[in-house]
Amino acid sequence: QKEVEQDPGPLSVPEGAIVSLNCTYSNSAFQYFMWYRQYSRKGPELLMYTYSSGNKEDGRFTAQVDKSSKYISLFIRDSQPSDSATYLCAMSFGGATNKLIFGTGTLLAVQP
Amino acid sequence: DAGVTQSPTHLIKTRGQQVTLRCSPKSGHDTVSWYQQALGQGPQFIFQYYEEEERQRGNFPDRFSGHQFPNYSSELNVNALLLGDSALYLCASSPHGRTFYGYTFGSGTRLTVV
Repeated sequence: QKEVEQDPGPLSVPEGAIVSLNCTYSNSAFQYFMWYRQYSRKGPELLMYTYSSGNKEDGRFTAQVDKSSKYISLFIRDSQPSDSATYLCAMSFGGATNKLIFGTGTLLAVQP
Repeated sequence: DAGVTQSPTHLIKTRGQQVTLRCSPKSGHDTVSWYQQALGQGPQFIFQYYEEEERQRGNFPDRFSGHQFPNYSSELNVNALLLGDSALYLCASSPHGRTFYGYTFGSGTRLTVV
């Protein structure tokens, strides 16, 4: 079993839709939870990060962490064609190195 | 302000050869991490360098080695290349002690082993 599971998609939605992306994990020691966006032929770009459980909102993006269920989500409101990318969840234990453990990524296509 | 710069952008090598990938971190960043991203997969941690020393290593064989220079730039070396080493190699830099939310990734080097 992988430490972090993520549905690879692809997910296709019409412009303006609300998108829900999810990851589950097995290790309860994870403390930091992140969402990265990766466009084709580019490196990952940090969208949101959350420490422990709770919600965090930034513009059209909302990140949720439920540590009791070992489940994290990213919601995108009013999705735009420019949101079309691969979305990667990532987690870490903290500490000096703070290496990231990534999910496989979900490919999202927002149709105009 | 330039972000993380990686070179080359693409590379084709033959099985058994050796390869060196290079990374210049973002200005103000002193810590460099390397990740391997196979097609359709998420990045996997290879190792991290700080103060010219390897600080932590992921589950990669000794064929993978690295180096950090006094100017914080870094190299990733892979010996005895296998077909399975074909992947996108990502460099991420950060200020020490502010790793996860300070990570900036480069665009990567696409390595193809034939």
